[in-house]
Amino acid sequence: AQSVTQLGSHVSVSEGALVLLRCNYSSSVPPYLFWYVQYPNQGLQLLLKYTSAATLVKGINGFEAEFKKSETSFHLTKPSAHMSDAAEYFCAVSAGAGSYQLTFGKGTKLSVIP
Amino acid sequence: GAVVSQHPSRVICKSGTSVKIECRSLDFQATTMFWYRQFPKQSLMLMATSNEGSKATYEQGVEKDKFLINHASLTLSTLTVTSAHPEDSSFYICSAGPQQGGYGYTFGSGTRLTVV
Repeated sequence: AQSVTQLGSHVSVSEGALVLLRCNYSSSVPPYLFWYVQYPNQGLQLLLKYTSAATLVKGINGFEAEFKKSETSFHLTKPSAHMSDAAEYFCAVSAGAGSYQLTFGKGTKLSVIP
Repeated sequence: GAVVSQHPSRVICKSGTSVKIECRSLDFQATTMFWYRQFPKQSLMLMATSNEGSKATYEQGVEKDKFLINHASLTLSTLTVTSAHPEDSSFYICSAGPQQGGYGYTFGSGTRLTVV
């Protein structure tokens, strides 16, 4: 079974500051990990994914995440926040190759202060 | 890139009526589609998994007779909320895949259902 814990339901950063959204996972098998972004009343857009290749994954819009097996973490970062980054972010896990069912964290709302 | 169209984006219906939500993969064939429900300020909860040509698999606690899922073709799955009640008001999102040439599922833009 898989589970995801996102620390902090709401994160506020100043424009230009570092963005760090935390995600810890639990999985009984080698996991695939994902970060999605959701804007109000819209679906989810994939930011990046880890599928057992490079542990540092670069995604769209300047985001990246690092898979750390020893810490069971997959934190999302961006060096400099932009106003357009304000949204809800979801971390998700699946049971690796051949499993397409995602388990989502509860989400973190990112606010960017001008 | 892979595109999933979900329609309608918003719907308001009267209590006791049924509502159908469509999820279409526009440029790829989707052997599997997932239906999620999202309550305000909460995460996505998987409702069911539908595979083309077979019956959907529902998650525990989801009423299969209330949430009818049909996946009759490789590009279309439908979710019908039957005899809707105000507590069924929610945001419903589908995802479809897998995409050819890579792993991943694409999400639709969601449907905001309001039952009055």
